[in-house]
Amino acid sequence: DIQMTQSPSSLSASVGDRVTITCRTSQTTSNYLNWYQQKPGKAPTLLIYATSSLHSGVPSRFSGSGSGTDFTLTISSLQPEDFATYYCQQTYTTPITFGQGTRLEIK
Amino acid sequence: QVQLVQSGAEVKKPGASVKVSCKASGYTFTDWYINWVRQAPGQGLEWLGRITPNSGRTDYAQKFQGRVTMTRDTSVTTAYMELRSLRSDDTAVYYCARGPSTIRLWDGMDVWGPGTTVTVSS
Repeated sequence: DIQMTQSPSSLSASVGDRVTITCRTSQTTSNYLNWYQQKPGKAPTLLIYATSSLHSGVPSRFSGSGSGTDFTLTISSLQPEDFATYYCQQTYTTPITFGQGTRLEIK
Repeated sequence: QVQLVQSGAEVKKPGASVKVSCKASGYTFTDWYINWVRQAPGQGLEWLGRITPNSGRTDYAQKFQGRVTMTRDTSVTTAYMELRSLRSDDTAVYYCARGPSTIRLWDGMDVWGPGTTVTVSS
């Protein structure tokens, strides 16, 4: 199975800050790397697919990059609605696996 | 609009089985994988497996092999997930999620159901 390691596990930041979350995979996932946002009591929502493609309707302050085994999600200027938990996911091979999540909190 | 509607919350005793449904609408059901993902209280996301609605082919996580069965009924555009021999640590919210499409395998899971809470308790 491909192991996914996200860092940090939690993060405190302020509105307007630039934030980067990292996801490292135990083997290459080509570009089959996705990012999700989840708010309490809600289902996850897709932000980024195929490493760097912005899902329809997602604000352009979200971006993804990376290759091979190292990937990042960047939020260029945090907004109040961005405080949530973020997960990376690989769909390169089954079993599909997720990172453990990064909880983004208001400072 | 594209949506997935799941069946309601369940309370089961240890050793019982649960079957959760996921009704799809607003798109061609056979063109997209349906995945099942669960989330235990306060925990992260865990993939149980997926079904290819066109063929009925399934892929299960090794952890659930022998205990889970995923099926679909294309006539009513509904996918099902049955989990047997329930234990207390199966208590979780179970989500169905669409994606990727069968012709764009790099897509993520772009539509999720609202989740079905399954509680296992004696």
